[in-house]
Amino acid sequence: AQKITQTQPGMFVQEKEAVTLDCTYDTSDPSYGLFWYKQPSSGEMIFLIYQGSYDQQNATEGRYSLNFQKARKSANLVISASQLGDSAMYFCAMREMGMTGANSKLTFGKGITLSVRP
Amino acid sequence: GAGVSQTPSNKVTEKGKYVELRCDPISGHTALYWYRQSLGQGPEFLIYFQGTGAADDSGLPNDRFFAVRPEGSVSTLKIQRTERGDSAVYLCASSPGTGGGDTQYFGPGTRLTVL
Repeated sequence: AQKITQTQPGMFVQEKEAVTLDCTYDTSDPSYGLFWYKQPSSGEMIFLIYQGSYDQQNATEGRYSLNFQKARKSANLVISASQLGDSAMYFCAMREMGMTGANSKLTFGKGITLSVRP
Repeated sequence: GAGVSQTPSNKVTEKGKYVELRCDPISGHTALYWYRQSLGQGPEFLIYFQGTGAADDSGLPNDRFFAVRPEGSVSTLKIQRTERGDSAVYLCASSPGTGGGDTQYFGPGTRLTVL
């Protein structure tokens, strides 16, 4: 079973509007972290935002916020006031902490292409 | 400060040849990760180092792939007898290694093309 599911093939948004990128995940580990990365056409993966499974509040970082619904196992990224420079691939990723809470790999979804229209 | 750097940025080789890809992590980061990204896909985990030792190499596809980090800083991913299916972008990431919200920061990648 896929651990991270991103099913939106491509998204379009008008400049200055808000957009939500969907991500659902699957894990039996009670301790995990969820990440969103942006990958522009240049190819570099840029960290955007992090949400821990035990965090009580949704994470926010500037124009980015994470709509974390633990019972539904979803971690949607909300970008407010879209800018032309937001056009890129967006990846959702999860890290399962395990019993020790030690560092471990990220498991990525297939990504979503976002295009911002002027 | 300086981010994660990777060299070369592009590597073209012939089937059957040996290649080395280098990663220089952010100074002070103890954890280092290698991922492979095929066209249109998300990155897939290869190997993770904590310090000098490989803490998890479960993502290495076969014994043609090997990675080292002898002094706990720079890492080299080595691929023997390259195959056309090895063509991909190889991404390196590093993190402080402190657990919890420990964030991985990625380098620009090495695009490997096997002819």
